[in-house]
Amino acid sequence: KNQVEQSPQSLIILEGKNCTLQCNYTVSPFSNLRWYKQDTGRGPVSLTIMTFSENTKSNGRYTATLDADTKQSSLHITASQLSDSASYICVVSPREYGNKLVFGAGTILRVKS
Amino acid sequence: GAVVSQHPSWVICKSGTSVKIECRSLDFQATTMFWYRQFPKQSLMLMATSNEGSKATYEQGVEKDKFLINHASLTLSTLTVTSAHPEDSSFYICSAQIYNEQFFGPGTRLTVL
Repeated sequence: KNQVEQSPQSLIILEGKNCTLQCNYTVSPFSNLRWYKQDTGRGPVSLTIMTFSENTKSNGRYTATLDADTKQSSLHITASQLSDSASYICVVSPREYGNKLVFGAGTILRVKS
Repeated sequence: GAVVSQHPSWVICKSGTSVKIECRSLDFQATTMFWYRQFPKQSLMLMATSNEGSKATYEQGVEKDKFLINHASLTLSTLTVTSAHPEDSSFYICSAQIYNEQFFGPGTRLTVL
């Protein structure tokens, strides 16, 4: 069964600190893996998208990594800001599903001042 | 670029009434749009895939007669929740696809009293 599992479920950090969110997936083969940020009451916004052959992708303070051998991805946030408080969702696009996406449950990040 | 809008952003209705939600791709044409539902503290669940000019494809367990989808143009898809009940209360999110990437709308909060 195609699954995407994220950890931790939730996380609280102090403003300015770094953090790393984890994503383990069983989807294989897949076309790409994406990380989205979803603010409360809003739709998801894309942060990074990686094909199966890419190892890392950065977008400002966000850096995503992908290890296809261990089927793990991580999202590293540096110098966190209060506005980073949101849910971060790992999403995998199975090659067999065409356009459909498999969503992780998300990690809820709260940045405190 | 790649902006997707939804209208309304929130709606409250009485049980038994029907509610229509619009999803528009503002600056691009999307042959495929997706409708998702998200319950509190859960991830997005795909309800149906909508292709312009053809019937929508519904996911297992989603009643097509209850959730009517119309994809009349390359920039507009609508979801009508018919005879809404309190259990239909949820956050409905659409996405529009271009170049193998989905861009999400801001979501519509539906509350059925």
